Amino acid sequence: DIQMTQSPSSLSASVGDRVSITCRTSQSIGKHLNWYQQKLGKAPKILIYAASSLQSGVPSRFSGSGSGTEFTLTISSLQPEDFASYYCQQSHSVPRTFGQGTKVEIK
Amino acid sequence: QLQLQESGPGQVKPSQTLSLTCVVSGGSISNGGYSWTWIRQPPGQGLEWIGYIYQSGNSYYNPSLKSRVTISVDSSKNQFSLKLRSVTAADTAVYYCASQRSTMVRGVTYYFDSWGQGTLVTVSP
Repeated sequence: DIQMTQSPSSLSASVGDRVSITCRTSQSIGKHLNWYQQKLGKAPKILIYAASSLQSGVPSRFSGSGSGTEFTLTISSLQPEDFASYYCQQSHSVPRTFGQGTKVEIK
Repeated sequence: QLQLQESGPGQVKPSQTLSLTCVVSGGSISNGGYSWTWIRQPPGQGLEWIGYIYQSGNSYYNPSLKSRVTISVDSSKNQFSLKLRSVTAADTAVYYCASQRSTMVRGVTYYFDSWGQGTLVTVSP
């Protein structure tokens, strides 16, 4: 199985801050990396697929980068509705695996 | 955009079988560009992929659950189902159904693009 390690596990930030979350994989997965946002009590929502492709309807302040074993999700200017948990997920191989999540909280 | 809706018992007794169904609307489950997925999330924890199935019937399961899981498709009802046998308290979780879309971006890529709202299943006597 491909192990996924996200960092940090949580962070506190203010509205308007630039925020970055890192996902590292235990083996190279090319660009087969997706990012999801999950708000409390809701299902996850796809933000970024194939490492850097923005899902339709997702604000452009979200961006993804990376390849191989290291990936980054960046929120350029944090908005109130962005306070949530974020998960990376690899689609390189089965079993599909997720990172443990990063909780973004209000400072 | 597809809509997915899970249904099934909210409580299951230990050693019994958990059974859930996911109805798909807004598109056909026979669409070849999708596979039909179950994912779960124990309370306060992260996401665990259970498995998925293609309309053809080919299925793939998480090795950690493979001996206890069956996912099936009913194209006539545009729905797919999950059965998890011999449940224990460790199987208590919110269970999500989702569609895994395949698309051509720098080669074939896959992601979970539509999700059900999730259903909490508690395993208790």
